[in-house]
Amino acid sequence: DTEVTQTPKHLVMGMTNKKSLKCEQHMGHRAMYWYKQKAKKPPELMFVYSYEKLSINESVPSRFSPECPNSSLLNLHLHALQPEDSALYLCASSLRLTGSYNEQFFGPGTRLTVL
Amino acid sequence: AQTVTQSQPEMSVQEAETVTLSCTYDTSESNYYLFWYKQPPSRQMILVIRQEAYKQQNATENRFSVNFQKAAKSFSLKISDSQLGDTAMYFCALYNNNDMRFGAGTRLTVKP
Repeated sequence: DTEVTQTPKHLVMGMTNKKSLKCEQHMGHRAMYWYKQKAKKPPELMFVYSYEKLSINESVPSRFSPECPNSSLLNLHLHALQPEDSALYLCASSLRLTGSYNEQFFGPGTRLTVL
Repeated sequence: AQTVTQSQPEMSVQEAETVTLSCTYDTSESNYYLFWYKQPPSRQMILVIRQEAYKQQNATENRFSVNFQKAAKSFSLKISDSQLGDTAMYFCALYNNNDMRFGAGTRLTVKP
């Protein structure tokens, strides 16, 4: 299995809802990433996990809560989002965080719309 | 802080011809990695090519090659024999210190 999967593909939620995005990989990668990508813009790094521990949190608002339950799974819990949070959320993984094994493989993304 | 600049928002090329996409970057680190990613319309991001900063030899992957000029902090992508399937947004990216930064992207259209 050489891919990163993300569910759901599309998500529409109200500002008072709680929802979660899921990302999974079975490539034995030990680093996983969440990115936010607005339309016609580059991806922006949100969170980095290495060996299931949060390594980097790029000053993301607390309404986004990441979780890495095991080495294959990465979740992003959403609560009390704002319409400006509407974007494509990309998950990526790499074999390691540092050194020569940092090539990132991306999932197809979850397109999130906040009403 | 590290930055990546892509000065060409849009480019087009005729099928079978060659095109070069520009990228410049800024970092204070000596050890870093550079990538070109491709994002076709409504499809996922895939890696095109990568370059380790400590390697002087330019990376190549089939029709894709880079011109890495470390002193000038330049990392351009050359696509030879362009194909319709090369139509996509191309992002240049810089990675070091566990941080990945993308350029604004260049939208490439390959015309038949």
